Amino acid sequence: EAGVAQSPRYKIIEKRQSVAFWCNPISGHATLYWYQQILGQGPKLLIQFQNNGVVDDSQLPKDRFSAERLKGVDSTLKIQPAKLEDSAVYLCASSSPLGTANTGELFFGEGSRLTVL
Amino acid sequence: RKEVEQDPGPFNVPEGATVAFNCTYSNSASQSFFWYRQDCRKEPKLLMSVYSSGNEDGRFTAQLNRASQYISLLIRDSKLSDSATYLCVATLAPGNTGKLIFGQGTTLQVKP
Repeated sequence: EAGVAQSPRYKIIEKRQSVAFWCNPISGHATLYWYQQILGQGPKLLIQFQNNGVVDDSQLPKDRFSAERLKGVDSTLKIQPAKLEDSAVYLCASSSPLGTANTGELFFGEGSRLTVL
Repeated sequence: RKEVEQDPGPFNVPEGATVAFNCTYSNSASQSFFWYRQDCRKEPKLLMSVYSSGNEDGRFTAQLNRASQYISLLIRDSKLSDSATYLCVATLAPGNTGKLIFGQGTTLQVKP
């Protein structure tokens, strides 16, 4: 079974530039998450989708971050304009139809490592 | 106050040692709890669930104390391959849309 696919793996940009990350979850997983993991910290949830609807985006900095999952499958996370503090690994994850509260299992992609100079 | 708090460590232990990690959570409405493992520069992966009755998986034992809002992970007979960061996780909502909140992680280094 194919895992969660993310691209690009690495991205270096200058502050005020824009960047987009793509994620394709495991087939059949309705719930998709974007997490931000800053070096030395745990993953922080940015946004959670159930199919193509947003379940939680309370910690998404909406003045610069946006995310969409138009057809309920793959998703894009965009940052515009980027700030130095956005340097982090952006992890996409998906969960099975049983849900995280039952199984606790999120399947993460390898992440997209962003460096903002 | 952070929703899920862990001592970041690092914990440096010799092979064969027993080591315990603790974690506290602030929201008494938290429903379910888990430990994830994250190797250096890799993605987190589920290690085990945490139940009030305790949960054991080989050398790993997880415990939950709801009254104290406290979770623990015990690793017996540590192996070099156990070196990683261990993330404590709590969910805040029941059902299929449970939101997972991760702690900062505790780093374990097992030395030969």
